[in-house]
Amino acid sequence: AQKVTQAQTEISVVEKEDVTLDCVYETRDTTYYLFWYKQPPSGELVFLIRRNSFDEQNEISGRYSWNFQKSTSSFNFTITASQVVDSAVYFCALSDSMDSSYKLIFGSGTRLLVRP
Amino acid sequence: DSGVTQTPKHLITATGQRVTLRCSPRSGDLSVYWYQQSLDQGLQFLIQYYNGEERAKGNILERFSAQQFPDLHSELNLSSLELGDSALYFCASSVGTGLGTNPGTLHFGNGTRLTVT
Repeated sequence: AQKVTQAQTEISVVEKEDVTLDCVYETRDTTYYLFWYKQPPSGELVFLIRRNSFDEQNEISGRYSWNFQKSTSSFNFTITASQVVDSAVYFCALSDSMDSSYKLIFGSGTRLLVRP
Repeated sequence: DSGVTQTPKHLITATGQRVTLRCSPRSGDLSVYWYQQSLDQGLQFLIQYYNGEERAKGNILERFSAQQFPDLHSELNLSSLELGDSALYFCASSVGTGLGTNPGTLHFGNGTRLTVT
């Protein structure tokens, strides 16, 4: 069965701290995609990154970086030198072809609060 | 701006009523997905359309229905509304899901916040 687990419900850090959001996934498919979305207080869902199962290279985009490890079925997200504007709920999601729709299965989200 | 347009932004209605939520996908996207976000259930997949045809169904109640029109916009109809239907409803679009093909990234609209009183 497809499943995404974000065990951290809420994280609070002080500005400029580094923070890592954990994501563990389950799928029987060999071809799948992993995503991170950000939901700021205004409510919209903002796409951050997509990785496919054949590309385990880590990715860095500015202060954001992602660590994909198939051996542990994890796709963790690190924010370096956090800022107040990073405060949001972050969702990890999985998409695979089990039912041909490639719909997204979301984790329950991690609420990040960055304090000044 | 994701390019996905949802209207209305907010909707307040009474129990027992019926509402229609509208979604215009990004230009060129053939797939539309509907999601419900409630406090206790998180982000739940409701239904997906691809080029006018239903492709997948999730935990969508029988009181809910959807369709995708020839111009690719989609509508989600919610009827006999109950208090528990209060939620944020998202539409997302992607390039497509021809069977076995990469669907592309799902881009989400800003959502319609439904309040049932």
